[in-house]
This record gives sequence, structure tokens and C-alpha cells, in this order.
Amino acid sequence: GIQVEQSPPDLILQEGANSTLRCNFSDSVNNLQWFHQNPWGQLINLFYIPSGTKQNGRLSATTVATERYSLLYISSSQTTDSGVYFCAVEEYAGGTSYGKLTFGQGTILTVHP
Amino acid sequence: ETGVTQSPTHLIKTRGQQVTLRCSSQSGHNTVSWYQQALGQGPQFIFQYYREEENGRGNFPPRFSGLQFPNYSSELNVNALELDDSALYLCASSLAGGPYEQYFGPGTRLTVT
Repeated sequence: GIQVEQSPPDLILQEGANSTLRCNFSDSVNNLQWFHQNPWGQLINLFYIPSGTKQNGRLSATTVATERYSLLYISSSQTTDSGVYFCAVEEYAGGTSYGKLTFGQGTILTVHP
Repeated sequence: ETGVTQSPTHLIKTRGQQVTLRCSSQSGHNTVSWYQQALGQGPQFIFQYYREEENGRGNFPPRFSGLQFPNYSSELNVNALELDDSALYLCASSLAGGPYEQYFGPGTRLTVT
């Protein structure tokens, strides 16, 4: 099956700093999503981005499907950005979707005041 | 618009027992997927339900089973509980015919003693 690798595994920042999280995947994908998992376990949708670039406030994401990677940018980080960030992909299955998202191991982000 | 809901929030069971977890999909969504997240790991796909039938399955044994009801809500049943079944169980809903963005519920934290 498809492999998803996220880097770095851990990231510690001071408030106000910028950061880039990376997600590499091993095969073609139908779907790619970025999530933020809060301390209570809830996965919050950040971006649905199988290709291209999107921005939402201080966050933006870019997926280069042909090169099999995606980047999540966080600018002017805040303490509330702390948590685990997951990239998840759905492997391309010839036009059929089975809804199977494969997650990376996550990046643990800690933002200090 | 109502988001994905799950019940119960927490559950403690004894090894060998059976458990049922419940999920109500986001309004307008007709597909439900279940994931298991062990501590420190990314979520792993268990299965997806569409039109009250299993539509795809991950690498989980048959003692993990599910149901989907006409109102698109779903149950996850786990028989003969093992200590390794202790995890956060997440439910996600989406539209069918995708791939479409998946939205997650808050999860049920299961502890098996």
C-alpha cells in the first residue's frame, strides 16, 4: 500500500515564527488532506488539497502531485497552533474511491509564548 | 449544519468483552468510515460503509464489524476485546462517489483492561 512520511517529527517554535511541514507519499493519490489534532483528539480539517495551492489565514498548503509531496506553511505561529499535524492521502484506485485515508505519523508542533 | 458526533466519549471494557461504538454522520453525508488511532500513531483505516454495506476494509480481523443504518448513522462492533484494542476510535463522514473531503468526529476513547 501507499506510504506516507511526514517531517519533521517534532518542531518547537517561539510565538511569531514561521514553519514548513512536509508530507511525502509513495504513489499517485486521489485525495490529500491536512489535519490538526487538538489535545482532546479531535481532527480538525485544515485543507483538502490533492493538487495546487490554497490559503486560509495564516495557513497555506501546496501539493505537487507529480512529485508526490505536499507542504503546509504556518506563518506567525501562535500558542494555539500547538498540537499534532497529520497529512492523509487516499491512494488512486482507477477512479474508484473506497474512502481509505492513509495517515502519516504526524508532526508534533509546540509553540512557546 | 450538524457535524459528526460519536458516543460514548470514553469506555472501559475488560478483555474478552464486546463493545459497540456509535457515529452519526454530518448532515448531507451518506458514507461513514471508521479509524483506530493507537497512542502516538496516526489513525488507521478500519472500514467504510455506504448504502448500508461495507465498501472497503483495512487490515483488521473479522471481530471488527460494522453496520450502517438508513439514516446513514453507523456502529462499530468489536468482539473478543484484546488489550491492544485500547485506542481512540474515530468516525468520519463524506459524500459518496468521491474522493471527497472527510470530516471526523471527536472520537471514542476505549480502554481494555
